[in-house]
Amino acid sequence: GDSVTQMEGPVTLSEEAFLTINCTYTATGYPSLFWYVQYPGEGLQLLLKATKADDKGSNKGFEATYRKETTSFHLEKGSVQVSDSAVYFCALSDRESGGGADGLTFGKGTHLIIQP
Amino acid sequence: DAGVIQSPRHEVTEMGQEVTLRCKPISGHNSLFWYRQTMMRGLELLIYFNNNVPIDDSGMPEDRFSAKMPNASFSTLKIQPSEPRDSAVYFCASSLGIWAYNEQFFGPGTRLTVL
Repeated sequence: GDSVTQMEGPVTLSEEAFLTINCTYTATGYPSLFWYVQYPGEGLQLLLKATKADDKGSNKGFEATYRKETTSFHLEKGSVQVSDSAVYFCALSDRESGGGADGLTFGKGTHLIIQP
Repeated sequence: DAGVIQSPRHEVTEMGQEVTLRCKPISGHNSLFWYRQTMMRGLELLIYFNNNVPIDDSGMPEDRFSAKMPNASFSTLKIQPSEPRDSAVYFCASSLGIWAYNEQFFGPGTRLTVL
């Protein structure tokens, strides 16, 4: 079945540091890939997405590139801020050729802590 | 625009009691998803609907769990009888469709504690 593996946290960085959160996936069909962010006490919000190989998703300074050859979708940001502290989830939504999708399959989440 | 609305936000109940969680999707969205989040298992899809019809309920853990979507603007997730291991945060999400590229919009969640 489908699965998503992401680095375990917590990840603690200083403000303005470079961020990478690794994500790899296993899927049987043609997945779309997503990064969601969850702030304390809130639901998940879509951060960015990519729907086919070599697509780059970007939002709020975050980027991730869909790499089919390495089955990866690593999240990066050049300079993190304290306000980026949250839990980040990598996810995929798979579909067989010509078919619909199931719900999202999530990684376990990475807790990011940014210190001033 | 109102997002996905869930109620209650917090629920504390005793083992054996019936629990009903409610969700109002975003107007115009025709797909609705129920997820459960626990520390041990992370986020798991329980069931999803398309045009009010259940499409896949393979994630529903046991017969104690049931979900309905009587119309396009309302869905319920019921647990009867509840058990302590059901304690979790339950999220509802909606989207414009079930296709892989459709963004899912999540509600704030219901934190359920079963004593």
